[in-house]
Amino acid sequence: EIVMTQSPATLSLSPGERATLSCRASQSVGSNLAWYQQKPGQAPRLLMYGASSRATGIPARFSGSGSGTEFTLTISSLQSEDFAVYYCQQYRHWHTFGGGTKVEIK
Amino acid sequence: EVQLEESGGGLVQPGESLRLSCAASGFTFSSYWVSWVRQAPGKGLEWVANIKGDGSETYYVESVRGRFTISRDNAKNSLHLQMNSLRAADTAVYYCVRAQYGYPGVYFDSWGQGTLVTVSS
Repeated sequence: EIVMTQSPATLSLSPGERATLSCRASQSVGSNLAWYQQKPGQAPRLLMYGASSRATGIPARFSGSGSGTEFTLTISSLQSEDFAVYYCQQYRHWHTFGGGTKVEIK
Repeated sequence: EVQLEESGGGLVQPGESLRLSCAASGFTFSSYWVSWVRQAPGKGLEWVANIKGDGSETYYVESVRGRFTISRDNAKNSLHLQMNSLRAADTAVYYCVRAQYGYPGVYFDSWGQGTLVTVSS
């Protein structure tokens, strides 16, 4: 099983700041990597797929990069609605999620 | 607009069975893989099962293989998850999810609101 490790567990930032979230795979997943956002009491929402492609309707302030085992989700300037939990998911070998990064207001 | 609405969750005792259903609308259901993804209370996400658009292929996470069965009825735009021999560890919100094929796996582009399954004596 491919293990996905996200860091940090919690990121405390202020609105307008840049957020950098990391996701590491225990073995190469190529570009088969997706990112999701989940707010309290809501279902997750797809943000990125193919490591760097934005899903429909996702603002340009969200960007993804990486391949192989190291991936990054960047939010260029945090808006109030971006404070949430973010999960990465690999789909190279079965489907496994990372443990999540909570982006909270500092 | 893609809509996925789950039903069938509830409280059951260990060892019992439960059948979840999902009503899909807003897209050509038979053209898509669909999946169940679960989330234990306060925990992260776990993929449970996938089924291909025509129902010809199904896949399961190791922990539910042999106990859960995913199925679909394309005539009724519905997805089901038959869960047998339930355990406390199966307690979670179960999401019905539309999947996009991203060879060799899938990612999840539309999610229902989820239905809570609680396994407890």
